[in-house]
Amino acid sequence: GQQVMQIPQYQHVQEGEDFTTYCNSSTTLSNIQWYKQRPGGHPVFLIQLVKSGEVKKQKRLTFQFGEAKKNSSLHITATQTTDVGTYFCAGPRGSGGSNYKLTFGKGTLLTVNP
Amino acid sequence: DTGVSQNPRHKITKRGQNVTFRCDPISEHNRLYWYRQTLGQGPEFLTYFQNEAQLEKSRLLSDRFSAERPKGSFSTLEIQRTEQGDSAMYLCASNLFIGSEAFFGQGTRLTVV
Repeated sequence: GQQVMQIPQYQHVQEGEDFTTYCNSSTTLSNIQWYKQRPGGHPVFLIQLVKSGEVKKQKRLTFQFGEAKKNSSLHITATQTTDVGTYFCAGPRGSGGSNYKLTFGKGTLLTVNP
Repeated sequence: DTGVSQNPRHKITKRGQNVTFRCDPISEHNRLYWYRQTLGQGPEFLTYFQNEAQLEKSRLLSDRFSAERPKGSFSTLEIQRTEQGDSAMYLCASNLFIGSEAFFGQGTRLTVV
């Protein structure tokens, strides 16, 4: 079945340093979504990428979708303590009418030292 | 509308007991999902409703699990004869269109002792 893998599993940075997490799917994805989960919280949607090679920015966050639509990355510039949390990528499993189930990676836990 | 609401937030139960969780999705969302999340893992899909119809149930769900969405609004997830392996965070999510942003509730954390 479809697998979504994320690396690294953990990342600890000093405040102000950059951070990148990578996501790889075993199958081509129609789209990829990124979620953030704060400690003790629930996943919160960040962004969806649909097009091959797409790049989207949200302030200090830059999201990329690979040309083959099998990988993605999230880059945070100049991390802040508010960036702490686990970042998940998720891809829909199935196609057409069954394209509703999300397969999540294990996530990357980001901790930031102030 | 304040988003997806789940109750209770925490549940501690003895092994063998039955438990029921409730999810109130965003009112205009006709699609509702249940996921399970254990420590260090991403959410795992359990089941999906479109309106009141349960369209898919994951193989992760044994016969002890049942979910309903009787009027296409709120949903319940029942676990019968709970086991320690059922301990997890149970997350409910809803969205408007297939493949669109999923809004998650705060989850129900189940501990089976």
